[in-house]
Amino acid sequence: DAGVIQSPRHEVTEMGQEVTLRCKPISGHNSLFWYRQTMMRGLELLIYFNNNVPIDDSGMPEDRFSAKMPNASFSTLKIQPSEPRDSAVYFCASSFNKGGGSYNEQFFGPGTRLTVL
Amino acid sequence: KNEVEQSPQNLTAQEGEFITINCSYSVGISALHWLQQHPGGGIVSLFMLSSGKKKHGRLIATINIQEKHSSLHITASHPRDSAVYICAVFSRETSGSRLTFGEGTQLTVNP
Repeated sequence: DAGVIQSPRHEVTEMGQEVTLRCKPISGHNSLFWYRQTMMRGLELLIYFNNNVPIDDSGMPEDRFSAKMPNASFSTLKIQPSEPRDSAVYFCASSFNKGGGSYNEQFFGPGTRLTVL
Repeated sequence: KNEVEQSPQNLTAQEGEFITINCSYSVGISALHWLQQHPGGGIVSLFMLSSGKKKHGRLIATINIQEKHSSLHITASHPRDSAVYICAVFSRETSGSRLTFGEGTQLTVNP
């Protein structure tokens, strides 16, 4: 059974370039989360979707960051233009949300290690 | 003060020792997640619990909602248990699916 799939696993880019990170959630899951992990701040939620709709994007650092979920099996996180301080590991996670404000176990992808030079 | 605090930050043990990692939180929660992050970076969900105790193999997680405290225990520790263990809570003060993370406990088990 495939887990959460992320690509690329590693990305090195130069400041000012556009970066697109991709995520395929576990089949049947209806909630998708984008996290960023840095040494200084640990794990932080950037945005999450429920049934392809963004629910909470309060963690998105600024307008350079955008996320989309065009269908239940695919999401992207885009940074344009990228800056060195965006260097981090970006994780995607998914869960099955039963609704009614329930809390549900989240399953994490392997992460994308982004380095912006 | 962080909403979720873990102790210790770093822990070194000898193979076979019993290990306890603690997590305290200051907000009302719906549930608590224990996660394991391996040296390669991948994050694995170990437990999600809202009351009592759960056991999986050599791992045991307990939670005391009244005291706002959870513990993760590892019995008969092994070098392959070396990882960062992260406590995260579903806070009642934020949306139901939002996790608030502790800073993690770095565990090293020596052979």
